[in-house]
Amino acid sequence: QVQLQESGPGLVKPSETLSLTCTVSGGSISSYYWSWIRQPPGKGLEWIAYIYYSGSTNCNPSLRSRVTISVDTSKNHFSLKLSSVSAADTAVYYCARVQRNNYGLPYFDYWGQGTLVTVSS
Amino acid sequence: EIVLTQSPGTLSLSPGERATLSCRASQSISSSYLAWYQQKPGQAPRLLIYGASSRATGIPDRFSGSGSGTDFTLTISRLEPEDFAVYYCQQYGSSPLYSFGQGTNLEIK
Repeated sequence: QVQLQESGPGLVKPSETLSLTCTVSGGSISSYYWSWIRQPPGKGLEWIAYIYYSGSTNCNPSLRSRVTISVDTSKNHFSLKLSSVSAADTAVYYCARVQRNNYGLPYFDYWGQGTLVTVSS
Repeated sequence: EIVLTQSPGTLSLSPGERATLSCRASQSISSSYLAWYQQKPGQAPRLLIYGASSRATGIPDRFSGSGSGTDFTLTISRLEPEDFAVYYCQQYGSSPLYSFGQGTNLEIK
């Protein structure tokens, strides 16, 4: 059973960079796409970006200028950096596996439990 | 950009009743690209339905999905106490590559 676990600081100051890591266990990170999704408190879900184990990426245009996503196959984890954060970036951040099928990359089948990141001075 | 609009915002029903949740897309999407998730308080979303009508692994058969084009439906045939949660639809393929509806809160009446 694949499991994902997010880790990183729970508090980030405005204008600084948010950094999170998602560690995958119970399976290899190889041959899959991996994604970050966030949810502001009491609100809906927003897709941030995905990365393939080979390193290719795709990002939400609304966040592209501030997002860096990377993968380390030797550690079976992938990471997110979001720069120049503000209070609007306060959210629960989830990592998830993207399922690939004949139709592309249509949905997320495994999710981490999520980690709350608060942006505040 | 495709916008997904879910209705109703809140649905109040009793255990044993039938629930019908709607997801309407602002443009036609392939049914292969429509998924539904369940989220309980303090938990991550859980995949229920993919390809508009295929149940994910381990999902009870009281959950079913249908629809095409711009109108999609999640039906729960007989509500169990554990089914009360927030439900999201999600589309793939339009910029942004993935987007979600705003959710339907299914609450106990």
